[in-house]
Amino acid sequence: GENVEQHPSTLSVQEGDSAVIKCTYSDSASNYFPWYKQELGKRPQLIIDIRSNVGEKKDQRIAVTLNKTAKHFSLHITETQPEDSAVYFCAASIRLSGNTPLVFGKGTRLSVIA
Amino acid sequence: ETGVTQTPRHLVMGMTNKKSLKCEQHLGHNAMYWYKQSAKKPLELMFVYSLEERVENNSVPSRFSPECPNSSHLFLHLHTLQPEDSALYLCASSQGWLALSSYNEQFFGPGTRLTVL
Repeated sequence: GENVEQHPSTLSVQEGDSAVIKCTYSDSASNYFPWYKQELGKRPQLIIDIRSNVGEKKDQRIAVTLNKTAKHFSLHITETQPEDSAVYFCAASIRLSGNTPLVFGKGTRLSVIA
Repeated sequence: ETGVTQTPRHLVMGMTNKKSLKCEQHLGHNAMYWYKQSAKKPLELMFVYSLEERVENNSVPSRFSPECPNSSHLFLHLHTLQPEDSALYLCASSQGWLALSSYNEQFFGPGTRLTVL
């Protein structure tokens, strides 16, 4: 089955700097890669996702890149703000005929220092 | 309340108790999930239900028993738990089988914080 590795497990950056979180996956058939943000005491929420037919996607200060050959994808947060502090989870899924659950990475705890 | 709801939000139980966690989704989804979140394994998939049928059981001990009476409701029945079962239990839903155009975006509930004494 699919296995998702996520690095680093913790990340501290100064406010205004950029943060990068990287994930690798094992199953080359995976074609959907979402990122979830979980603030302290709250539920995980989808912040951005990318499908295997594109290499990059941006949404304001957040971007995700995908390298299918190397089987890795990354989350980039620019101009970080204290409210970006949270745990971020990457995930991978294969969308075939039917429902295939997401396989999550172990999470990255991001701390933005004001 | 819209989205995915879970009750109770907090639960303390002894090892000999029987309790149930409830999840309800108001999104018209066809698939529902139980996750266990702890410091050791941040998002560990336990069960998947699609159209009320269990499609995945991730080697979960039998002291956890899921039930999906319809596509909107999901239960997790708990019996003779161990202290190491203390964790946050998250329910999620997605469009699932019938939505061929979807990519399995999952919507999470707020979770039930379970403490086993």
